[in-house]
Amino acid sequence: RKEVEQDPGPFNVPEGATVAFNCTYSNSASQSFFWYRQDCRKEPKLLMSVYSSGNEDGRFTAQLNRASQYISLLIRDSKLSDSATYLCVVNLMDSSYKLIFGSGTRLLVRP
Amino acid sequence: GAVVSQHPSWVICKSGTSVKIECRSLDFQATTMFWYRQFPKQSLMLMATSNEGSKATYEQGVEKDKFLINHASLTLSTLTVTSAHPEDSSFYICSAAGDRNEQFFGPGTRLTVL
Repeated sequence: RKEVEQDPGPFNVPEGATVAFNCTYSNSASQSFFWYRQDCRKEPKLLMSVYSSGNEDGRFTAQLNRASQYISLLIRDSKLSDSATYLCVVNLMDSSYKLIFGSGTRLLVRP
Repeated sequence: GAVVSQHPSWVICKSGTSVKIECRSLDFQATTMFWYRQFPKQSLMLMATSNEGSKATYEQGVEKDKFLINHASLTLSTLTVTSAHPEDSSFYICSAAGDRNEQFFGPGTRLTVL
């Protein structure tokens, strides 16, 4: 079983749509959670951290359910520029501070 | 935010040659740097964790004698792919961890081995 699992997509949505991505992680000792965005042939960039209480940054809302080991990302009012691959990432916060990446969910926003 | 650079951004080499990739933290000191590899349509896979002044810690399945890592200063880590073969063709990305252990990623190096 992969440590971080995501639906690979692609999710093909029209501009203005709301889209949700899900992610599950296997290690209950995971302490920190993130969503990264990666454009084609580019490095991943931090989109937002994910907190237990849920958090919002503009059109983006992230939620964490520790009991179910489940993380979600909601994008409202999709823009063409949101087209990218969204990576779910966890960190054990042990001495190594390693990030474990999911394989990503690809989003295509069409006009 | 903190800036991490990588050089070269892309490289094409013949099978059997060695390739060195540099990762630099430009405006902060990074005690720890990480090296990742990403094959097409796959996610980033951590190859090794590099700590300044000590030997790198390699992930399971990554050959330390093939992927040589040197982290000689707080702003520079290098990855050398020795005797590269076509199956080593990939996107290599480094990250550098700052004071709060947030990782800042370099722009990546695309390696093609002919």
